[in-house]
Amino acid sequence: QVQLVQSGAEVKKPGASVKVSCKASGYTFTSYGISWVRQAPGQGLEWMGWISAYNGNTNYAQKLQGRVTMTTDTSTSTAYMELRSLRSDDTAVYYCARVASRYDSSGYLDYWGQGTLVTVSS
Amino acid sequence: QSALTQPPSASGSPGQSVTISCTGTSSDVGGYNYVSWYQQHPGKAPKLMIYEVSKRPSGVPDRFSGSKSGNTASLTVSGLQAEDEADYYCSSYAGSNNVFGTGTKVTVL
Repeated sequence: QVQLVQSGAEVKKPGASVKVSCKASGYTFTSYGISWVRQAPGQGLEWMGWISAYNGNTNYAQKLQGRVTMTTDTSTSTAYMELRSLRSDDTAVYYCARVASRYDSSGYLDYWGQGTLVTVSS
Repeated sequence: QSALTQPPSASGSPGQSVTISCTGTSSDVGGYNYVSWYQQHPGKAPKLMIYEVSKRPSGVPDRFSGSKSGNTASLTVSGLQAEDEADYYCSSYAGSNNVFGTGTKVTVL
């Protein structure tokens, strides 16, 4: 069965960086993409970006350009999302989700990780 | 990219139907048939309910249906059940990126 298992909760200070991992199993990793979505406390879902596990192509949300990097390690079927220069409003639950397309971010998000809480506080 | 517009709340009694709208622009909802809908219960990860405007993944009850007209997509839940009480989000492809709706809390009275 398809599973996405994310790394554990993180507490970071403003200005620091965080790297969240998402280990996939139960399917051919390189046949799909991975999107990252975050949800601030009590707020809605925000699309952060997408990476193709097939060729490493990425698309990032404009507001995060320059602060976010998404990568994959096909040898371990793991996706990573790094966010730099953290601010208090980056406090959120971060989700990875499988994208039903390896060529662009048009695919739907059919399987989700359990979420990783990132808290940014001084 | 601005969030798609959804009503903050919707409600219905068990057995009734509720329809949630999702309004975007010709650059997202109106421009592509890549609208999907997600259900989220408190403290849980979202779950895919509808994809490509009107298709249902395996395991999603046929009480859930989707449609689109112009720049507005809709999700209808027929025969409301207690377990349908949740937050619902639409999402659309918008060219080089994606955008979510503002979310709708569905209450089963």
